[in-house]
Amino acid sequence: AQTVTQSQPEMSVQEAETVTLSCTYDTSESDYYLFWYKQPPSRQMILVIRQEAYKQQNATENRFSVNFQKAAKSFSLKISDSQLGDAAMYFCAPAGGSQGNLIFGKGTKLSVKP
Amino acid sequence: EAGVAQSPRYKIIEKRQSVAFWCNPISGHATLYWYQQILGQGPKLLIQFQNNGVVDDSQLPKDRFSAERLKGVDSTLKIQPAKLEDSAVYLCASSFIQGTYNEQFFGPGTRLTVL
Repeated sequence: AQTVTQSQPEMSVQEAETVTLSCTYDTSESDYYLFWYKQPPSRQMILVIRQEAYKQQNATENRFSVNFQKAAKSFSLKISDSQLGDAAMYFCAPAGGSQGNLIFGKGTKLSVKP
Repeated sequence: EAGVAQSPRYKIIEKRQSVAFWCNPISGHATLYWYQQILGQGPKLLIQFQNNGVVDDSQLPKDRFSAERLKGVDSTLKIQPAKLEDSAVYLCASSFIQGTYNEQFFGPGTRLTVL
């Protein structure tokens, strides 16, 4: 079974600075994808970025990028030029199998200080 | 494009009562998911539908939880009878098709409090 570990329950960053959220996972799948979702206080989960495990190139989406280390099963999220609107819970979620079910970590609460 | 709709947004019930949640996915999305998110944890998949058929319900407590998606569009999740530990946010999500690459779009969730 897949497991996901987000070792930082809470993180804080100054506005305009850079922050990295860590995630490690365990899977027996050979072909899988990894996702970072953001959940603001409104509770609506929003996709931030996705990474295909077979691709060596790290995914980038505007201010968001990942550092994917397949051998280490590590999938960290870097947020550059942090904005107040980035404050939220961030969940790492690998997906695998033919059904593509997501397995979520416990999340990291990110605070952004003005 | 309208997002995933859920109702109600909040529900408070006594233990042993019944409750039902409704979800309307994004138009054209064949796959629908129900998640349970207990406070301080990430969402846990309860059940996945592909059109009106169940793909995965391995984590659904079938003695008290049931779900249906009769016409392959909207879905209802029911709890009968509710227990204190069922207090959680129930999230509905949908995707165009099933598969590891496809983005799941989430609704705002229903917060259930069982007293």
